[in-house]
Amino acid sequence: KAGVTQTPRYLIKTRGQQVTLSCSPISGHRSVSWYQQTPGQGLQFLFEYFSETQRNKGNFPGRFSGRQFSNSRSEMNVSTLELGDSALYLCASSKGGGMRNTEAFFGQGTRLTVV
Amino acid sequence: DQQVKQNSPSLSVQEGRISILNCDYTNSMFDYFLWYKKYPAEGPTFLISISSIKDKNEDGRFTVFLNKSAKHLSLHIVPSQPGDSAVYFCAASGKSGTYKYIFGTGTRLKVLA
Repeated sequence: KAGVTQTPRYLIKTRGQQVTLSCSPISGHRSVSWYQQTPGQGLQFLFEYFSETQRNKGNFPGRFSGRQFSNSRSEMNVSTLELGDSALYLCASSKGGGMRNTEAFFGQGTRLTVV
Repeated sequence: DQQVKQNSPSLSVQEGRISILNCDYTNSMFDYFLWYKKYPAEGPTFLISISSIKDKNEDGRFTVFLNKSAKHLSLHIVPSQPGDSAVYFCAASGKSGTYKYIFGTGTRLKVLA
């Protein structure tokens, strides 16, 4: 059974640019969540999608957006990149019903560097 | 406001001994807790979870204890092995059905051979 796949693994962008990250969840999983990991900050929740609907959003500016497609694949977009957006972006998938009382499986992440 | 706290950024333990990783939370609405392990350049891997209706859950060398009155949970690894060296995150979710986990900042465990 294939795991959660995130592409690309590494990305270097310039300040002011925009970026799109992709996540393919485990087959059969309908919930996809995105997290940002920076040193000393742990994993910060960005948003969660289920059946193409955003069910929850973390405390990030509107430059961070996402969407989910009918096949449960998800994309995350960051516009007008800032140096502080440099981080590891992690995607997690879980079974239907979201992440309550069930473990989430993470992808390897996309390492974004903004220069 | 850090609702889930891991106050020890790092921990070193001798191989074969017990590793105890601690986690405190402030939100009494949390009812499900998990531990994840993370190696460099990889995503977190699920280790073990516990529901608030229990105070202990065991899986092989890993045991999680939950003290609801103290809002504290701990992960015990016995015996510790060099391969356990990683960053450990605790996470919590709540009854409000917000479909997200709140993670701590992680504890880096180093098991010395």
